Amino acid sequence: GESVGLHLPTLSVQEGDNSIINCAYSNSASDYFIWYKQESGKGPQFIIDIRSNMDKRQGQRVTVLLNKTVKHLSLQIAATQPGDSAVYFCAENLSLGQGGKLIFGQGTELSVKP
Amino acid sequence: DAGVIQSPRHEVTEMGQEVTLRCKPISGHNSLFWYRQTMMRGLELLIYFNNNVPIDDSGMPEDRFSAKMPNASFSTLKIQPSEPRDSAVYFCASSLGLNTEAFFGQGTRLTVV
Repeated sequence: GESVGLHLPTLSVQEGDNSIINCAYSNSASDYFIWYKQESGKGPQFIIDIRSNMDKRQGQRVTVLLNKTVKHLSLQIAATQPGDSAVYFCAENLSLGQGGKLIFGQGTELSVKP
Repeated sequence: DAGVIQSPRHEVTEMGQEVTLRCKPISGHNSLFWYRQTMMRGLELLIYFNNNVPIDDSGMPEDRFSAKMPNASFSTLKIQPSEPRDSAVYFCASSLGLNTEAFFGQGTRLTVV
């Protein structure tokens, strides 16, 4: 029979435009958050992280915003390039005393049109 | 550093056979994670270790799955007996510990026929 997979949210942007990818996390006790990028056939690759005592952090062309009140994360990519096309995951870290439990969201597929 | 190294990259096996996936974390990292990725369920955390000790295995689907970390530089995920629904990409990741980013390997694509 036909398999039914996750219906990933998809964001399609024009090259050069800014992209905003959103994520809702589940646990109010999570204290550390990471955005990962996954290209086809590869493992997730770290982009940027933010700790719960911050609400904004900037990297090269990327910015992460954290709103703990509504448990929301966003990833902003400036001047989006074709090489940014990938699936983007947010992950929340739930500290459990020893190490941390890194839980991933379902992902958003970013498609950049040249 | 070569990053997290997983082997094999691809594995095709028959239902009922034992499958062993291997992982070498980044040297110096003390946390190790095993994830499974499928279209149906996304990226699922199966188990993670801290200082070679299993901390949380609540994501391991059933008793057919087991994981070990005999030392700081090696971990295995074993499925015995394997079933077609175990077909997925299995990722290993390692980190320096609490509240640091996890680095992922390239994954093992497992197909059980």
